[in-house]
Amino acid sequence: AQSVTQLDSQVPVFEEAPVELRCNYSSSVSVYLFWYVQYPNQGLQLLLKYLSGSTLVKGINGFEAEFNKSQTSFHLRKPSVHISDTAEYFCAVSVGTNAGKSTFGDGTTLTVKP
Amino acid sequence: EAQVTQNPRYLITVTGKKLTVTCSQNMNHEYMSWYRQDPGLGLRQIYYSMNVEVTDKGDVPEGYKVSRKEKRNFPLILESPSPNQTSLYFCASSPTGLSPSFGPGTRLTVT
Repeated sequence: AQSVTQLDSQVPVFEEAPVELRCNYSSSVSVYLFWYVQYPNQGLQLLLKYLSGSTLVKGINGFEAEFNKSQTSFHLRKPSVHISDTAEYFCAVSVGTNAGKSTFGDGTTLTVKP
Repeated sequence: EAQVTQNPRYLITVTGKKLTVTCSQNMNHEYMSWYRQDPGLGLRQIYYSMNVEVTDKGDVPEGYKVSRKEKRNFPLILESPSPNQTSLYFCASSPTGLSPSFGPGTRLTVT
């Protein structure tokens, strides 16, 4: 069975500072990994995804994530955050043998302060 | 416009009164899913469907039913809702099962 752990439930950061949101996964088979963002009172939007190939994945809004198989991690990073990045972020995993089944982490609330 | 639509967007009901939340997509996607979102618990998958008449349980299927009689529709049925099913529900669709497009959500309150 697959599982996802987001290591920080809340991350406060000042505007223009760098940020890292941490995600670890567990699976015995090959995985596909995703980060989603949910702005207040809105649905989920895909930020980026790792399916195969390069372990450094770039997404929308200046975010990137690195797939680390040995550490079973997929941390999300942004070098300089804006107030508008304040949102909840979800890490998710699907496995190669059953793409339709997705497991999400509990979410990390990123609060960007002026 | 390519989209996933859900109806209703808001629903307040009483314990035991059967309800259906509809989901429709216009992208000809094979895969469709239902999730519930609760504070501090992230999104949990209820059921998913790989194609017409093919469905499987997600992580929290108890108390829910689904059907996939047409490719575009994937209704979520609560035959006897209980207060612990009060939640925000999302439908999603995908051509491959991966990185689905999400609907706007349905906020359900069961009293």
